[in-house]
Order: sequence, then structure tokens, then C-alpha cells
Amino acid sequence: EVQLVESGGGLVQPGGSLRLSCAASGFTFSSYWMHWVRQGPGKGLVWVSRINSDESSTSYADSVKGRFTISRDNAKNTLYLQMNSLRAEDTAVYYCARLRSPSTISPYDYWGQGTLVTVSS
Amino acid sequence: EIVLTQSPGTLSLSPGERATLSCRASQSVSSSYLAWYQQKPGQAPRLLIYGASSRATGIPDRFSASGSGTDFSLTISRLEPEDFAVYYCQQYGSPPPWTFGQGTKVEIK
Repeated sequence: EVQLVESGGGLVQPGGSLRLSCAASGFTFSSYWMHWVRQGPGKGLVWVSRINSDESSTSYADSVKGRFTISRDNAKNTLYLQMNSLRAEDTAVYYCARLRSPSTISPYDYWGQGTLVTVSS
Repeated sequence: EIVLTQSPGTLSLSPGERATLSCRASQSVSSSYLAWYQQKPGQAPRLLIYGASSRATGIPDRFSASGSGTDFSLTISRLEPEDFAVYYCQQYGSPPPWTFGQGTKVEIK
């Protein structure tokens, strides 16, 4: 059974840092591109970042570029999101998500349960 | 960046009724790389449709979708109680950012 389990969320002050983790199981993690998507309180879904299977390529939303870093450890089947210089507008539930196919352009078929990040003084 | 606009914002219907949701893109979505997700309160989104019209694994056939280019739609033929939720469209074919519509809430009338 495919499982994605996020952790690392919490309350942090503006300007602070946090590292999110997403532990994957039930599939060959090293074969899949992975993404982070967030959802502000009462808001819609917003794509944050993605990383390819061997970590050679990453992309970021303009709103987080230069502040967030996506990475992965294929030996540990874990995806990460390092978040620095956090702002109030980064407050959201952060989901990790797996693409439906490892080899073709595809949407997300599995999502984690989400981890809440609250940026407030 | 491709902007997706969903309409209506809220759809108030009764169980058994038909629901039609719209998703319009600001530019053509390449190769119909358009997906639909369902999200219930406190839950992660669930993939319903990919490739504009293909149902994901385990999705009942009362869910159907169509469209190409800039105009897409999702239809729920007969609403079941568990279908009342928020629905999002997403384009995933262009270079980043992959964008979502703002969502359509299907609520019980």
C-alpha cells in the first residue's frame, strides 16, 4: 500500500525556518518525481515545488523561490522541504504528493495527510 | 503561467441531481493534461480524472469529464451523499508552475 506521511510542521516565528519531511512507503520511491503542494486556511491548492527522481532537477513557485529548498534521500525513501525566511503568508497545510506515473507526464495519485505550518509571532 | 478559472464557485444541489462543473484555462492546456480532484474537509485531495477525461482507479462511473484546449468540464451524473465536497481542476502539462483552479464547492441544497 502506498503511503506518504508528512512531519515537521508547527508554529514558527516570521523569519524562522522549518524542515518538513515526507516518508514514503509501498512503492519504488527512487523512480518517482515528487511534489509539495500547500493549502492556506480556507483557501485552494497551490503548487510549491517539485523534484525529479534522481534529484538532478528542481522547480519552485515564484512565491517560495530562494527561500525554500526541496530535496530527497532515496536511500531513506524520504522527501524534504527546507523552508527559510518564513512569512505569515506561508501559513498552510503542506502536502507531499506523488505523480501517478514514474515515466510520463501525470497528475498526483497519492497525497500525504498534510502537515500544518503556522507562521506567527 | 496558465490560470484556471472554475465556475460556479458554489453549486447547491440535492442528492440524485446532476452536477456540471466548469474549468476554463487562460491558454491552451497541452495534450489535455488536465486533472480533477475531490477534497473533503480535513482530507487530502483525491484524484478523480486525468488526461481531461480518464477516470482514475476506483472512481465510480457517475463521474465523467470532457474538454480540450481551454474549456473543460466535470459532470457527476447523480449526486450521492458522499459527493458533496470541493472540486479542483489542475493543469500539469506545461513547465512549472503547475496550477489549480480556485475550486467549486458542491453543497447540499
